[in-house]
Amino acid sequence: QSALTQPASVSGSPGQSITISCTGTSSDVGSYNLVSWFQQRPGKAPKLMIYDVSKRPSGVSNRFSGSKSGNTASLTISGLQAEDEAAYYCCSFVGSSTLVFGGGTKLTVL
Amino acid sequence: QVQLVQSGAEVKRPGASVKVSCKASGYSFTDYYIHWVRQAPGQGLEWMGRINPNTGATNSAQKFQGRVTMTRDTSISTAYMELSGLRFDDTAVYYCVRGYSYSNFDYWGQGTLVTVPS
Repeated sequence: QSALTQPASVSGSPGQSITISCTGTSSDVGSYNLVSWFQQRPGKAPKLMIYDVSKRPSGVSNRFSGSKSGNTASLTISGLQAEDEAAYYCCSFVGSSTLVFGGGTKLTVL
Repeated sequence: QVQLVQSGAEVKRPGASVKVSCKASGYSFTDYYIHWVRQAPGQGLEWMGRINPNTGATNSAQKFQGRVTMTRDTSISTAYMELSGLRFDDTAVYYCVRGYSYSNFDYWGQGTLVTVPS
């Protein structure tokens, strides 16, 4: 199973909105509403930001939102803040009780 | 509060095996899957597999089949991941993660660094 495709980096200024894409295939992202997004700051464990494509865990800011269209899932961060600077990873169920992560996207807040 | 506490860092020779533990507390251990995810230095996250602590049933990524063994001891709420035939490129931080579903990975362990010197 190949990793999901994410852009290596994205950037934005404080207050702006950015979107990170996560592209799979009709056998994984396109077939299941089981996509999650994780934020990882340097030296720390990942943190769940979005699950089931668009659900936010308790305590996660509503500036974070998720969506999916066809074989591509997206994470949108609105009202960008300096503290949002981190790496972001998507993850999808791919069938046969297995999962795959995306390659990760480094977000820089300018 | 929910906690997953992993065992300490390990240095292993190529060809050896390593066994990482993950002790759960603050919830019913058998009610949630435990997944294992690793991250090589400067690289992304990689899903390795999962175990159902209630039944002991496991699923693993094809890449690790035959090399990874996941077990649990319900009497001490602890999950284990053993990786055999270690290679240099198995050097990574290994995380255990509580999984409510295939998508809801809500609590992560602190990570265990396994180093396989070249």
